[in-house]
Amino acid sequence: EIVLTQSPATLSLSPGERATLSCRASQSVSSYLAWYQQKPGQAPRLLIYDASNRATGIPARFSGSGSGTDFTLTISSLEPEDFAVYYCQQRFFGPGTKVDIK
Amino acid sequence: EVQLVESGGGLVQPGRSLRLSCAASGFTFDDYAMHWVRQAPGKGLEWVSGISWNSGSTGYADSVKGRFTISRDNAKNSLYLQMNSLRAEDTALYYCAKDLYSVPAAILVYWGQGTLVTVSS
Repeated sequence: EIVLTQSPATLSLSPGERATLSCRASQSVSSYLAWYQQKPGQAPRLLIYDASNRATGIPARFSGSGSGTDFTLTISSLEPEDFAVYYCQQRFFGPGTKVDIK
Repeated sequence: EVQLVESGGGLVQPGRSLRLSCAASGFTFDDYAMHWVRQAPGKGLEWVSGISWNSGSTGYADSVKGRFTISRDNAKNSLYLQMNSLRAEDTALYYCAKDLYSVPAAILVYWGQGTLVTVSS
């Protein structure tokens, strides 16, 4: 079973700042990695799949990169609605990174 | 509009069984793989099980293998999760999710709102 680790566990930033979230796989997953956003009381939402493809309706400020074992989700300029928990996933999910307001 | 509506959750004693259902609408159900994902209270997401469009391929997390069975009825646009030998650690909100593809790639494009399963005596 592939194990995903995410860092940092919590990221404290202000609106307008750039957020960089990391995900590392215990073995190569090629480009088969997705990112999800979850807000309190809501179901998760797919942001990125196949490492760098934005899902339908996802704003361009969200971008994904990486391949093999190391992946990054970047939010270029945080909007108030972006403060949430972000999960990477390759069938199994990582533990999540919480992006909160500084 | 894609809709996924889960049902069947509730309070159940350890060792007992429960069957979850997911009613799908707004898309051609038998074109897509489907999945169950759960989230224990205050915890992260855990992929539970997935099934291909024609039920020919299924997969399970180690934590539920041998206890849970995923199935689907394409004529009824419905997905199911039969959960046997339930344990306290199965307590969670169970989400039904639609895959991007017909095989279970686990790219979860649409999610329901979940049904809560509580395992307790």
